[in-house]
Amino acid sequence: ETAVFQTPNYHVTQVGNEVSFNCKQTLGHDTMYWYKQDSKKLLKIMFSYNNKQLIVNETVPRRFSPQSSDKAHLNLRIKSVEPEDSAVYLCASSFTEVFFGKGTRLTVV
Amino acid sequence: GDSVTQTEGPVTVSESESLIINCTYSATSIAYPNLFWYVRYPGEGLQLLLKVITAGQKGSSRGFEATYNKETTSFHLQKASVQESDSAVYYCALDYNQGKLIFGQGTKLSIKP
Repeated sequence: ETAVFQTPNYHVTQVGNEVSFNCKQTLGHDTMYWYKQDSKKLLKIMFSYNNKQLIVNETVPRRFSPQSSDKAHLNLRIKSVEPEDSAVYLCASSFTEVFFGKGTRLTVV
Repeated sequence: GDSVTQTEGPVTVSESESLIINCTYSATSIAYPNLFWYVRYPGEGLQLLLKVITAGQKGSSRGFEATYNKETTSFHLQKASVQESDSAVYYCALDYNQGKLIFGQGTKLSIKP
């Protein structure tokens, strides 16, 4: 049973718009992550967030920012989307192993 | 840097035949990373299939097995007899820093009835 919940499942938007994706985990984990799966199906970590400490993958553009209200939530905001942001974004959380949500598919037109 | 390479897909295997999906890794930031196989079934999220955290050990789940071989830096996934329900995309991954994972490119597996 999925314990990492992401919304929306799909989102289509235009270049330059701002988008925000939600993620909630019910596992009581302290660490959450965002991963990106691109058009070539490559999965790469974007952020990890633990105890208000954010670790950013250096390749992530600055228009991306995670937002956390508490340790069960880690949202992802993209300030001004670009075509190459089209991808599936996976939220995850971990204690001893990593659990993933089903993903949000973003299409930028 | 750290990396994971696995069998290029798609792979098609007949039901009840054996399967091997190769996975090799390169770890520079950690000597003996934890190793994982994740699977994504159609319409579902990515889920852990099996993991091994000790070199030389074997992990198993749902009939699949993988052995952590530090000499060859490999973690191949094997199953003696596949079923149609095994059709999915399989990802090999290593943990380079407390839950931060590096994934292989994924191998799409289709099972012929």
